[in-house]
Amino acid sequence: GAVVSQHPSWVICKSGTSVKIECRSLDFQATTMFWYRQFPKQSLMLMATSNEGSKATYEQGVEKDKFLINHASLTLSTLTVTSAHPEDSSFYICSAADDGREKLFFGSGTQLSVL
Amino acid sequence: GEDVEQSLFLSVREGDSSVINCTYTDSSSTYLYWYKQEPGAGLQLLTYIFSNMDMKQDQRLTVLLNKKDKHLSLRIADTQTGDSAIYFCAARAGTASKLTFGTGTRLQVTL
Repeated sequence: GAVVSQHPSWVICKSGTSVKIECRSLDFQATTMFWYRQFPKQSLMLMATSNEGSKATYEQGVEKDKFLINHASLTLSTLTVTSAHPEDSSFYICSAADDGREKLFFGSGTQLSVL
Repeated sequence: GEDVEQSLFLSVREGDSSVINCTYTDSSSTYLYWYKQEPGAGLQLLTYIFSNMDMKQDQRLTVLLNKKDKHLSLRIADTQTGDSAIYFCAARAGTASKLTFGTGTRLQVTL
């Protein structure tokens, strides 16, 4: 199946700093990518839909100024957690749809720990 | 909005079949997916089914869809210890719609 690469796998940062997470589709172009957040032993919650060349669409309750999304190319979307605080600590996962948009492939996730 | 429910835990013996169940509420859901997540990892797409299908088989995996009851199941034949993971079902109304995940079912395979 298609490969979605997510980097970094884990990051520890100090409170108040910003963290950037990258999501790349390695062998296909993705006009749309999705960012999810997962708390321990819970399901995935969609944060935002990232569209290449346009502004991201955020789900209700997700602060767009807090979670900056940039989808500058057909193979790369980035999520920047700005001024991170301990409550932002979570597992973040991206996904991308293949050309037919039927299949959604997921990255390996990023564990963010804010001290 | 869509609500997707799963049982939380299933324990089976190695070699037995596992059946993981899922229910959804939105009758307009046209794509239904099964994903596998191992600890600390992302989600692996196992299989998916389109709503005009009743069944789909892929090697050890069999997906059954009862559209009338909005019930989806995943059967894993000859379950192995490597199948131990959390299994998520997910649904969406169309390729332009967002994916809604179930709560996940933790499958434990015992020897």
